[in-house]
Amino acid sequence: SAVISQKPSRDICQRGTSLTIQCQVDSQVTMMFWYRQQPGQSLTLIATANQGSEATYESGFVIDKFPISRPNLTFSTLTVSNMSPEDSSIYLCSVRSGGQPQHFGDGTRLSIL
Amino acid sequence: GQQVMQIPQYQHVQEGEDFTTYCNSSTTLSNIQWYKQRPGGHPVFLIQLVKSGEVKKQKRLTFQFGEAKKNSSLHITATQTTDVGTYFCAGSNTGGFKTIFGAGTRLFVKA
Repeated sequence: SAVISQKPSRDICQRGTSLTIQCQVDSQVTMMFWYRQQPGQSLTLIATANQGSEATYESGFVIDKFPISRPNLTFSTLTVSNMSPEDSSIYLCSVRSGGQPQHFGDGTRLSIL
Repeated sequence: GQQVMQIPQYQHVQEGEDFTTYCNSSTTLSNIQWYKQRPGGHPVFLIQLVKSGEVKKQKRLTFQFGEAKKNSSLHITATQTTDVGTYFCAGSNTGGFKTIFGAGTRLFVKA
């Protein structure tokens, strides 16, 4: 399976600031996704990162708050904008190609003070 | 929309006891995947089931996909402390590219 590198692995940020999380895959993948996982909870899909076009956001998530880029088939970024304590969570990059199952990066553990 | 329900939410077992988690979808699935997430870790892919009635085994783990492709189960025989973690099922609709995750079952194993 693809090797997924996500960084930073963790960060502590001040409210009102923004953080960009990077996801790099060692091979070209068809689909890239961004998930959020709050403590003790399941995974919630934020958006599907589309190569060369705007991401497809799930209900409850908007581009102004979570801008996403995907310039090519191996790289994507998620920005968490104007952060508040409610944004404290684990953010996970996930990839999938063809009929293969999804695989996840190590995640970014984000705390907002 | 599609929903994937998973029970139980938590399970405490004594080491050596068996454990089962169940997953049920509101719609027919094209496939189902199972993941394990250790405390502090990220979800790690365990297996994918595609065929109706499919049963797959990985050592002490047995995975089943229902005949109607709407439910699935993961059974662990003789649990060990290394089995501790949260087990998630995740399903995709036919033709869909999104995977919907169940709420997960957190397994605690007492030595």
